[in-house]
Amino acid sequence: KAGVTQTPRYLIKTRGQQVTLSCSPISGHRSVSWYQQTPGQGLQFLFEYFSETQRNKGNFPGRFSGRQFSNSRSEMNVSTLELGDSALYLCASSSEGLAGEKDEQYFGPGTRLTVT
Amino acid sequence: SQKIEQNSEALNIQEGKTATLTCNYTNYSPAYLQWYRQDPGRGPVFLLLIRENEKEKRKERLKVTFDTTLKQSLFHITASQPADSATYLCANNNDMRFGAGTRLTVKP
Repeated sequence: KAGVTQTPRYLIKTRGQQVTLSCSPISGHRSVSWYQQTPGQGLQFLFEYFSETQRNKGNFPGRFSGRQFSNSRSEMNVSTLELGDSALYLCASSSEGLAGEKDEQYFGPGTRLTVT
Repeated sequence: SQKIEQNSEALNIQEGKTATLTCNYTNYSPAYLQWYRQDPGRGPVFLLLIRENEKEKRKERLKVTFDTTLKQSLFHITASQPADSATYLCANNNDMRFGAGTRLTVKP
């Protein structure tokens, strides 16, 4: 089974620009979650999509948005970039157990975003 | 507020010893906890999951415990090796909370 893939792996943008990151989950996984990881804040949850619907959302401003397509691929968008948005953005996919609880998450390699 | 905390930022041990990492949770009762390993520049990799009704789970040299009275999970690596050096994260997947991680260094 192919793992979670994320594109691009590295990105450099300037303040005020917008960026779109892409994530392809493991085949059969319908849940896709996005995280921001920085040295100071650790792994922070952005949002989760399940069957094209946003199911959970973290505590991030509206500049951060996402969507999921019918094939479970997901994109996240950050508008009006700020210097503080420089981070590793990780995508994770998971299947779900019978009771709806999530099995382990499989993470992609991440997209390293640098905002200058 | 609800939190998952890993109190030790870093842990240094000698090869062959047992590493013990701690994860505490406050103000809620997770149904299960998961442990992940993360190497620099890479995404976390799942290691073990333990449910609240399980006291202990093992996988090769890894062991996880879950104490609902102490609101704590302990993660042990026995006979540690330099290759075990990484950051270890605990998490509750259902509400997407991850601890800050403990950076383990195993010295030869």
